[in-house]
Amino acid sequence: SQQGEEDPQALSIQEGENATMNCSYKTSINNLQWYRQNSGRGLVHLILIRSNEREKHSGRLRVTLDTSKKSSSLLITASRAADTASYFCATDPRGTYKYIFGTGTRLKVLA
Amino acid sequence: EAQVTQNPRYLITVTGKKLTVTCSQNMNHEYMSWYRQDPGLGLRQIYYSMNVEVTDKGDVPEGYKVSRKEKRNFPLILESPSPNQTSLYFCASSSGREGVSNEQFFGPGTRLTVL
Repeated sequence: SQQGEEDPQALSIQEGENATMNCSYKTSINNLQWYRQNSGRGLVHLILIRSNEREKHSGRLRVTLDTSKKSSSLLITASRAADTASYFCATDPRGTYKYIFGTGTRLKVLA
Repeated sequence: EAQVTQNPRYLITVTGKKLTVTCSQNMNHEYMSWYRQDPGLGLRQIYYSMNVEVTDKGDVPEGYKVSRKEKRNFPLILESPSPNQTSLYFCASSSGREGVSNEQFFGPGTRLTVL
């Protein structure tokens, strides 16, 4: 399987705390993206980081990419109850037009 | 409103009865894709299409067919569904040009049960 992996599988934090989740992948990539999914609904795009970038910010989100380790992390700062969702990373391996999704991290933010 | 639509949203069927799940996007996107989501496995790509009449297999294409006769539509066909195709299916589209990927827009999902 080419699937990426994310850890932790599940994360429970208090409102106001930061949440960090990690993604590892197996092949060289063009880009890495993070998506959010609320309870079985369609995924929503959060942020895209290209393979020549190391860090990117968007609002309360901070994404890092380490291509030498084939890993990425998503940091959500000052979390809110509304951030409760599953988060997935997705990569598009170089030389293909496929997308490979990670297995996801279930985040629960307690009010 | 820019969107990806899927129909039906819910479907219960029996083994061997051919079915089609439709997908349509109104954003003039070149790239369209089908995924299935199963507990603990995340999303796995079934088929994708770079443009009209250009389709290719993803990681789990067995038991599925697709076609791309028009840019906006990308139906998923199960010729002879089996219980192991019971899953949550998502269609997605993006404006990816060859070699450049962009964010994907997802449909609301189709929950399929094959008895």
